[in-house]
Amino acid sequence: GENVEQHPSTLSVQEGDSAVIKCTYSDSASNYFPWYKQELGKGPQLIIDIRSNVGEKKDQRIAVTLNKTAKHFSLHITETQPEDSAVYFCAASAGYSTLTFGKGTMLLVSP
Amino acid sequence: GAVVSQHPSRVICKSGTSVKIECRSLDFQATTMFWYRQFPKQSLMLMATSNEGSKATYEQGVEKDKFLINHASLTLSTLTVTSAHPEDSSFYICSAGTGSNEQYFGPGTRLTVT
Repeated sequence: GENVEQHPSTLSVQEGDSAVIKCTYSDSASNYFPWYKQELGKGPQLIIDIRSNVGEKKDQRIAVTLNKTAKHFSLHITETQPEDSAVYFCAASAGYSTLTFGKGTMLLVSP
Repeated sequence: GAVVSQHPSRVICKSGTSVKIECRSLDFQATTMFWYRQFPKQSLMLMATSNEGSKATYEQGVEKDKFLINHASLTLSTLTVTSAHPEDSSFYICSAGTGSNEQYFGPGTRLTVT
């Protein structure tokens, strides 16, 4: 089955800096890669996703890049703000199959 | 759009009792609903996948007689934890799928079994 590795497990940045979280996947059939933000005590919120037919997608301060050859994808957050502090999960899915999640990255943005 | 609700948000029950958690898709019809549990500082663990009108598919190691799932309509799925024990205490989260890969998550239910 699919295996998703996520790094780093924790990331501390200063407000205004950029943050990058990286994930690798094992199943070459995976074609959908979402990123979720989870705040304490709440459910995950989809913040951006990318499909295998594109290499990059951007939404304001958030961008995701995908390298299918290397089987890795990354989340980029620019101009970080304290409210970006949360746990971020990457996931991968093939076709209509279930999502396989990474272990999560706790992002702390210090003012 | 794509709003999923869960009820209750928190529940405390005594050991041996059963508790039901509801998951609703509010503004779309969900062909598939998923149930996850999450322990502190860990990732989401898929428990089961359910399609409207059919039996749920449980992940390996998840007891189907303990975690009863009913998917009565395209907007409602329920998870019943039967004969709950303290080790069942966890954060239970549902998600709803629209027929493609995308899943939209509910806010979660914190279950505490005393």
